[in-house]
Amino acid sequence: GEDVEQSLFLSVREGDSSVINCTYTDSSSTYLYWYKQEPGAGLQLLTYIFSNMDMKQDQRLTVLLNKKDKHLSLRIADTQTGDSAIYFCAGAKGGYQKVTFGTGTKLQVIP
Amino acid sequence: ETGVTQSPTHLIKTRGQQVTLRCSSQSGHNTVSWYQQALGQGPQFIFQYYREEENGRGNFPPRFSGLQFPNYSSELNVNALELDDSALYLCASSSPGGGKGEQFFGPGTRLTVL
Repeated sequence: GEDVEQSLFLSVREGDSSVINCTYTDSSSTYLYWYKQEPGAGLQLLTYIFSNMDMKQDQRLTVLLNKKDKHLSLRIADTQTGDSAIYFCAGAKGGYQKVTFGTGTKLQVIP
Repeated sequence: ETGVTQSPTHLIKTRGQQVTLRCSSQSGHNTVSWYQQALGQGPQFIFQYYREEENGRGNFPPRFSGLQFPNYSSELNVNALELDDSALYLCASSSPGGGKGEQFFGPGTRLTVL
């Protein structure tokens, strides 16, 4: 099965950019996602990228995909205190939509 | 548009008991997936139901079972509870074939097994 790995913790100052990284083992994932989880809440889909894309920008969010290195990153521009949460990268193949999640990166934004 | 809802929000059981968790899918979605999220971990796929049939299963024992009803709501049943079953159980609904394969998650049920 797929393994998805992330660093556990990231701390940034408000207004700076945050970059959260993820590596995955299964190159057959069709969709790659970034989810946000705030304390006591479920998961919120932030953005996604198809496996045949290299980059996707969505307002303050930029996703970069390096298929050769099996590396996915999420950049948050102008990070705000409301961005403090746990961020999960995840992948899914075609067919049924089993989503494999990483271990999550806790983002702490310092005012 | 009504989002994904789950009940109950919290539950405390003792080892060996049985539990049923419920999920109502988002309007128009016919697929429900269940995930177990242990503390400090990412969600782990349990199984998925599509049109009342199991449509894929993760690495969970048979004491984890489910149902999907004609209105596409779903139940997760866990028999012979173990301490390690303590976790947040997340339900997600989706519509197969929808462009980006997006799953919409409910807020989860926090299960504590004593």
